[in-house]
Amino acid sequence: DTEVTQTPKHLVMGMTNKKSLKCEQHMGHRAMYWYKQKAKKPPELMFVYSYEKLSINESVPSRFSPECPNSSLLNLHLHALQPEDSALYLCASSQDSSRGDTQYFGPGTRLTVL
Amino acid sequence: QKEVEQDPGPLSVPEGAIVSLNCTYSNSAFQYFMWYRQYSRKGPELLMYTYSSGNKEDGRFTAQVDKSSKYISLFIRDSQPSDSATYLCASHTGGFKTIFGAGTRLFVKA
Repeated sequence: DTEVTQTPKHLVMGMTNKKSLKCEQHMGHRAMYWYKQKAKKPPELMFVYSYEKLSINESVPSRFSPECPNSSLLNLHLHALQPEDSALYLCASSQDSSRGDTQYFGPGTRLTVL
Repeated sequence: QKEVEQDPGPLSVPEGAIVSLNCTYSNSAFQYFMWYRQYSRKGPELLMYTYSSGNKEDGRFTAQVDKSSKYISLFIRDSQPSDSATYLCASHTGGFKTIFGAGTRLFVKA
C-alpha cells in the first residue's frame, strides 16, 4: 500500500479563520513533507519532518504551522491566511529521506482563501 | 539558472505516438532521478525512479539518465489519451530536498 491520504479535499476559508489540514500514511515512512503548488507550477517544499522532528522549514510565514503528532500523522495549521495562499497543498512521505528514498504524494487539499 | 530545467510545453501528439519528455539539470551532486505524473487537480504520482546513470523500463515507460550530459528523459511508447497529464522530472542528492522541473503538459489526441 503506497497511499497517502489528505483531508479535507477542498477548503474555503476567510482571512480571519483558523483551520487545519491533515495527512496520514500507514507505510511506516519516517519522513513527511508539506508542499504548496500553484497552478501550472511545480510543488514548492514548505516543511520536512524526519522521525517526528522538524528538519526543514523553507522560510515559510508563521501563519502556517506544522505539527507531527506521531509517525503516521502530519497536520498543517492555518491562521490569518492571505488570498495569495490559495493553492493545492500536498503532503508526501518517504521511508527515510537521508537515504534518498523517493516521496509518495497524497491527492492534496485545494485551499481557497477569500 | 534553475537546478532542473524542463520545457513546460504543451506537447500534443496523436494516439499511438512515441513521446519523448526531457529535462536537464545543473547540480552534479544529483544522484536520484524521478518522473512523476500529475493529472489535473490531483497529487503527483511516482512513475519512475532511477539511481545514477542508465535506463529503466516499466511497461510502456522508459526512463533514461545521462549524467555526463546532465540529461534526463522519459519515453512513452504507444501513447494513450489516458497519458494526458503533466509530467514532472525531479532530482535530489540523497537528502531531504527534491528539486522539481516545471512540468511538461502532454496531450494525447484520440
